[in-house]
Amino acid sequence: DAKTTQPDSMESTEGETVHLPCSHATISGNEYIYWYRQVPLQGPEYVTHGLQQNTTNSMAFLAIASDRKSSTLILTHVSLRDAAVYHCILRVAGFASALTFGSGTKVIVLP
Amino acid sequence: GPKVLQIPSHQIIDMGQMVTLNCDPVSNHLYFYWYKQILGQQMEFLVNFYNGKVMEKSKLFKDQFSVERPDGSYFTLKIQPTALEDSAVYFCASSLPTGGAGYAEQFFGPGTRLTVL
Repeated sequence: DAKTTQPDSMESTEGETVHLPCSHATISGNEYIYWYRQVPLQGPEYVTHGLQQNTTNSMAFLAIASDRKSSTLILTHVSLRDAAVYHCILRVAGFASALTFGSGTKVIVLP
Repeated sequence: GPKVLQIPSHQIIDMGQMVTLNCDPVSNHLYFYWYKQILGQQMEFLVNFYNGKVMEKSKLFKDQFSVERPDGSYFTLKIQPTALEDSAVYFCASSLPTGGAGYAEQFFGPGTRLTVL
């Protein structure tokens, strides 16, 4: 059973801001929201994670709904290097468990 | 940033042969993982490994698969014998323990493309 739901693809233009939605209506209280991205022919790369509060780092801003049933990864001023498949993944806290990848959202960045 | 290396980048073997995929994890990491990705499909977890032991494995981790990390050297995935359906890209990852905060970023290698003929 898929625990997260993401759109198949989103298209943007260089310099724009991209909002990537993720729905996780059955999230448990001890599950963190992780985002990874993968470009072709490379391994996945960690983007960010959060539990309840919005978080920000050099790669992205993660907005988490107050009921935690959805989140949005926000990429500002995207460049061609941001073109990748972005995966929203739920993971239980306190345990170095496996990542369960879905099909993710393919972000297309046009010059 | 920290790098995970995988050797070789591409391996072609005949069905029934043995193959060993090598992973050089980040030096101070303690958890190690293998994932499998068939071309055009989702990445799937195979196994994780800690303190010399398999911690958890998926149904994809067949009896023909084995992992080890002898004396802190390469973390290896061995397949013996190989089958046609083993053709895929195998990604190694490593991480620190979570420390109870749920944060254990996994660093992935570039993958080894295995082709079984």
